[in-house]
Amino acid sequence: DTEVTQTPKHLVMGMTNKKSLKCEQHMGHRAMYWYKQKAKKPPELMFVYSYEKLSINESVPSRFSPECPNSSLLNLHLHALQPEDSALYLCASSQESSGRRSDTQYFGPGTRLTVL
Amino acid sequence: GNSVTQMEGPVTLSEEAFLTINCTYTATGYPSLFWYVQYPGEGLQLLLKATKADDKGSNKGFEATYRKETTSFHLEKGSVQVSDSAVYFCARMDTGRRALTFGSGTRLQVQP
Repeated sequence: DTEVTQTPKHLVMGMTNKKSLKCEQHMGHRAMYWYKQKAKKPPELMFVYSYEKLSINESVPSRFSPECPNSSLLNLHLHALQPEDSALYLCASSQESSGRRSDTQYFGPGTRLTVL
Repeated sequence: GNSVTQMEGPVTLSEEAFLTINCTYTATGYPSLFWYVQYPGEGLQLLLKATKADDKGSNKGFEATYRKETTSFHLEKGSVQVSDSAVYFCARMDTGRRALTFGSGTRLQVQP
């Protein structure tokens, strides 16, 4: 099973709202990722968690706050977003093997976020 | 830096036509190479991968061979179906890094 699930599927929020995106995997993967994808563009990396610790933050604004409560769950807390933050937010996971070959990332279906 | 270049789309084909989507990468290091597919309104699905030179990835009739001499990883399928209509992303991951570097994506439209 290579399933990553994300909730909600769609989210509409105002600029003063606080909301959270959720991601879950049960493949025993120890690395989890958030990507942002604008329309007709490839995904762009936002954050990487490795063994529940934040290991990469690609200079993402503080209005996006990631959280990894355990090895299966990844959240993205949203606060005071701007309309330009409207996008598809994708979660992914991969094994965190000790070998030198890079691990395959498996993506969830995404949350389509609209900021009004 | 490390990058991936894909052919511009959209690519429009008739059903049962032969498909090639070109992908080249900059020749730095020894990346793993991937093809992901994104159907309308969905996330990315791994289509196939190759981790070293001369490896051939294959899945659902799609194939791609890791060519170090031409720094290419072209996607091919012998006979496309309407259900193959989607956006295809070529991507690389460099040893020791976790970030996938994606190409710009190529939209494929297959007409009946």
